[in-house]
Amino acid sequence: SQKIEQNSEALNIQEGKTATLTCNYTNYSPAYLQWYRQDPGRGPVFLLLIRENEKEKRKERLKVTFDTTLKQSLFHITASQPADSATYLCALRNTGGFKTIFGAGTRLFVKA
Amino acid sequence: DAGVTQSPTHLIKTRGQQVTLRCSPKSGHDTVSWYQQALGQGPQFIFQYYEEEERQRGNFPDRFSGHQFPNYSSELNVNALLLGDSALYLCASSPRSAGELFFGEGSRLTVL
Repeated sequence: SQKIEQNSEALNIQEGKTATLTCNYTNYSPAYLQWYRQDPGRGPVFLLLIRENEKEKRKERLKVTFDTTLKQSLFHITASQPADSATYLCALRNTGGFKTIFGAGTRLFVKA
Repeated sequence: DAGVTQSPTHLIKTRGQQVTLRCSPKSGHDTVSWYQQALGQGPQFIFQYYEEEERQRGNFPDRFSGHQFPNYSSELNVNALLLGDSALYLCASSPRSAGELFFGEGSRLTVL
C-alpha cells in the first residue's frame, strides 16, 4: 500500500541548533515533494518544493534533500528559533497525477 | 491580493444534517482542492476541481460532493453528517500546472 511516513514523535531542540525532519514514502513515484508548515488551527503554508531530478534545495535557513533511491526526503532548519515551533508536513504528488498527498506531520518545539 | 478565503470559519451541526462549505481561490488560480484534516492527522485529499469538473477524487463516500463555479470558487457539500465528519476542512488553490498549494484557514466542522 502507499504510505508517507513522518516521525510521529515530537522533536524538541534547543534554539540555535539544526532541526532535521524525515519523510519516507513507499509505493509512490513522486514528480515532486513539498514541505509545508502548519500552526495550530491554521491552514498549511507552503515552504519548499523539490523535483524528482533535484537532490537539494535551499531557501534562507531551510534546506530540503530528496533521495529517490532511498525514497526519503530530509528537511533541515538551521539556526532554529522558537518561532520555528510548528508542525511540518511532507507532501508529494505522483507523476501524472493531480492530487497532493500529505503525511501526518512532525511537531517541532524549539526551546529558548 | 486576497489569498484563499473560506467560509464559515466554524460551524456546529447534528448527525444527519447537511453542510455546505465555501472557498474562493487566490487570484489567478483555477484549480481548487479540498482536504479533510482530523485532529493530529495530516490533510486527507477529498477531491480536486478544474474547469468546473471533478478531476480526481480521494477515498471519500458519495456523501461528499462538490462544485466549481465559472469564477473558480468552489463549494463542498456533505450530506447525512456523521460524528466522524467532525474535522477541519481545508481548501487549497493552485495555478493549473504549479505544484505548490495555497491553503485557506479552514472551516472547523463539529458534528454532535
